[in-house]
Amino acid sequence: EVVLTQSPATLSLSPGDRATLSCRASQSLSNYLAWYQQKPGQAPRLLIYDTSNRATGIPARFSGSGSGTDYTLTISSLEPEDFAVYYCQQRSNWPLTFGPGTKVNIK
Amino acid sequence: QVQLHQSGPGLVRPSQTLSLTCAISGDRVSSDRTAWNWIRQSPSRGLEWLGRTYYRSRWHSEYADSVKSRITISADTSENQFSLHLNSMTPDDAAVYYCARDLPREPAAGIHNCFDSWGQGTLVTVSS
Repeated sequence: EVVLTQSPATLSLSPGDRATLSCRASQSLSNYLAWYQQKPGQAPRLLIYDTSNRATGIPARFSGSGSGTDYTLTISSLEPEDFAVYYCQQRSNWPLTFGPGTKVNIK
Repeated sequence: QVQLHQSGPGLVRPSQTLSLTCAISGDRVSSDRTAWNWIRQSPSRGLEWLGRTYYRSRWHSEYADSVKSRITISADTSENQFSLHLNSMTPDDAAVYYCARDLPREPAAGIHNCFDSWGQGTLVTVSS
């Protein structure tokens, strides 16, 4: 099973700041990595798939990059609605697995 | 725009069966461009994919090894919905259960294995 490790566990930032979230895999993912955003009481929302493809309706301030075992989600300028928990998910190997999440909270 | 609406009880007795249904609007459960999944989330396990059903000339169901002996996911084309049945429930199965659609793609490209639409979630408690 591929283990995903996300860092940091918590990120304290202000609106307008740049957020950089990391996801590291226990083996190469061949760019088959997705990112989700989850707010309290809501289901996860797909942001990015296959490393860098924004899902429908996702603002351009969200971008993804990476390769091999190391992937990054960048939020270029945080909006108030971006404070949430972010999860990565790999589809490179069975079973599908998710990371433990990074919480982005308001500083 | 696709919408998924979950229904089913939030309280299950130990050793009993959890049954949840996910009603689909804006897409077809028999679509050959996607798959229909169940995923759960708990503090101890995080997000965990449980299984899926999909139609490619015939119906297929696939399950996570962790629940394979206890789970059934099936589709109802007349109601355009799909269901989860998880038997022999224990307190370790307590979680928020979500249904989710796989990101659609052309059939020849295979299942995408990431999830672009989700139900609202059902908080399931296992208690006598």
